[in-house]
Amino acid sequence: GNSVTQMEGPVTLSEEAFLTINCTYTATGYPSLFWYVQYPGEGLQLLLKATKADDKGSNKGFEATYRKETTSFHLEKGSVQVSDSAVYFCALIFSNAGGTSYGKLTFGQGTILTVHP
Amino acid sequence: DSGVTQTPKHLITATGQRVTLRCSPRSGDLSVYWYQQSLDQGLQFLIQYYNGEERAKGNILERFSAQQFPDLHSELNLSSLELGDSALYFCASGGGYSPLHFGNGTRLTVT
Repeated sequence: GNSVTQMEGPVTLSEEAFLTINCTYTATGYPSLFWYVQYPGEGLQLLLKATKADDKGSNKGFEATYRKETTSFHLEKGSVQVSDSAVYFCALIFSNAGGTSYGKLTFGQGTILTVHP
Repeated sequence: DSGVTQTPKHLITATGQRVTLRCSPRSGDLSVYWYQQSLDQGLQFLIQYYNGEERAKGNILERFSAQQFPDLHSELNLSSLELGDSALYFCASGGGYSPLHFGNGTRLTVT
């Protein structure tokens, strides 16, 4: 079955540091990949997505590239801010060759990021 | 604002009781998904409905049930509640060519 593995947290960084949160997946077919972010006391918000191999998703300074050869979708940001403190979830959903997704999102366990001034 | 509305925001109830959580999907979305988020289990998929019909089932207990109505809103019913059912319950809508968008969740506390 489909599964997502994220790096263990929590991750603690100083402001303006470089961020990497590793995510690898196991899936059949053509999964679409996502990063969701959950700020304290809030629901999950879509941060970025990639629907096919070599796609790069980007938003708010965050980036992730869909690497089929390494089955990875690592999240990166060049300079984090205190306001980036949140829980980050990597997720996948099965998609057909045409990009239509089916079924449920499978989530990784989440990585807590804390950024200090 | 994701466009997905969940009510109530908080719910406190006693063991053995029954509660109903409500979700209104984004306009135009036919699918509704329910997830449970707890500290020890992470985000667990419970069930999906598509245009009124059950489409997929995950780790949903027999004490829990859901339905989607003709106006596409969905309800998650939790009965014979136990302390371990305390969690955040999220609803999401979307799918197909659209990513899933989540509501802000209902925080259930069972005392």
